[in-house]
Amino acid sequence: AAGVIQSPRHLIKEKRETATLKCYPIPRHDTVYWYQQGPGQDPQFLISFYEKMQSDKGSIPDRFSAQQFSDYHSELNMSSLELGDSALYFCASSSGSRGELFFGEGSRLTVL
Amino acid sequence: DAKTTQPPSMDCAEGRAANLPCNHSTISGNEYVYWYRQIHSQGPQYIIHGLKNNETNEMASLIITEDRKSSTLILPHATLRDTAVYYCILRRSNRDDKIIFGKGTRLHILP
Repeated sequence: AAGVIQSPRHLIKEKRETATLKCYPIPRHDTVYWYQQGPGQDPQFLISFYEKMQSDKGSIPDRFSAQQFSDYHSELNMSSLELGDSALYFCASSSGSRGELFFGEGSRLTVL
Repeated sequence: DAKTTQPPSMDCAEGRAANLPCNHSTISGNEYVYWYRQIHSQGPQYIIHGLKNNETNEMASLIITEDRKSSTLILPHATLRDTAVYYCILRRSNRDDKIIFGKGTRLHILP
């Protein structure tokens, strides 16, 4: 079965640069969630989208923005990167008929 | 505020049943009990969820007490591949409700 696809899987950036992460949800899933997991930390909710509209917002820095496109894929844009942004970024998707979230394998961002 | 309380770590012998407890004494009537696990640095994986009845699937069983203030996740025959952090999470029934990860239980399966 198709799973949530995230790209790139690994990304290395310098401080103050910009990074974009992409998420392709499971087909027919209408909700996308983004999570950040720092080293030794539990996943932290950042933001979610339902039917291309922002549905909820967590501890997402103002330097980060995200959107969901007409084909339901989502992108997380991170600007003015800081060392503390180094983390695993997970995307998850869900559908209205089944409530569980399905997670991708994550994108590992390293800021040098 | 943490809505669920789990032991930080547990050990279980390979082949035995692993019983992971979770306390959620302030659970609301419309909140489901969800369990996820995360194998080292992989994406969290859905295991099972329930409202008030016990549930079973191919991965695990979920036992919820009658007052719904606690639950137990049971992995019937633990294998080394079940070594992971297990999260007990309360989630509203809303279709687009996020899940909030707490501290979880780090389960070590011993050979």
